[in-house]
Amino acid sequence: DAKTTQPPSMDCAEGRAANLPCNHSTISGNEYVYWYRQIHSQGPQYIIHGLKNNETNEMASLIITEDRKSSTLILPHATLRDTAVYYCIVRVRIDMRFGAGTRLTVKP
Amino acid sequence: DAGVIQSPRHEVTEMGQEVTLRCKPISGHNSLFWYRQTMMRGLELLIYFNNNVPIDDSGMPEDRFSAKMPNASFSTLKIQPSEPRDSAVYFCASSPGTGSSGANVLTFGAGSRLTVL
Repeated sequence: DAKTTQPPSMDCAEGRAANLPCNHSTISGNEYVYWYRQIHSQGPQYIIHGLKNNETNEMASLIITEDRKSSTLILPHATLRDTAVYYCIVRVRIDMRFGAGTRLTVKP
Repeated sequence: DAGVIQSPRHEVTEMGQEVTLRCKPISGHNSLFWYRQTMMRGLELLIYFNNNVPIDDSGMPEDRFSAKMPNASFSTLKIQPSEPRDSAVYFCASSPGTGSSGANVLTFGAGSRLTVL
């Protein structure tokens, strides 16, 4: 499975867009890119996933580069409640394995 | 749907005691996962089941840990005997398995916080 690299931490101003990068340069053609987040000590929460095309849902947008070697999760208008650890996972099998993620802090 | 239900939410026990954590997956989901989270090691996959059959238990730390899934609506994770280093938050998750799109989305429970004294 492809390895992912994420910055350990990021800050974002409330109301601004939060752009969280993920590098997955060894991704293979049938591997999906998934994003989950974990708020404080709650269970991880699914955000979005994609294979090749950019995706958008009510929570976020996922931008995948044309070569699929990196992606960006975009929270369009970050709120204080979006403060969490965000995990980028590249996977083809059904089991999800989590790395260290990016700790996003949204500041007033 | 009530989501993935875990019990107990909090458990405090003494070293050497048996601990049983329980999980009820979302109805219709055919894959179930047990994770452990600590500050030192992050979120680790312990074991997962597909259609009630254990598929990969390579993450189970040692023989003191065992997991069962007797039917599609119930799973247990047992630690016997428990040790202080087992203190962690244990999460259960379920998923439909591979969907029509080929993707697989996990839904997590709220977790069981275990403290072994």
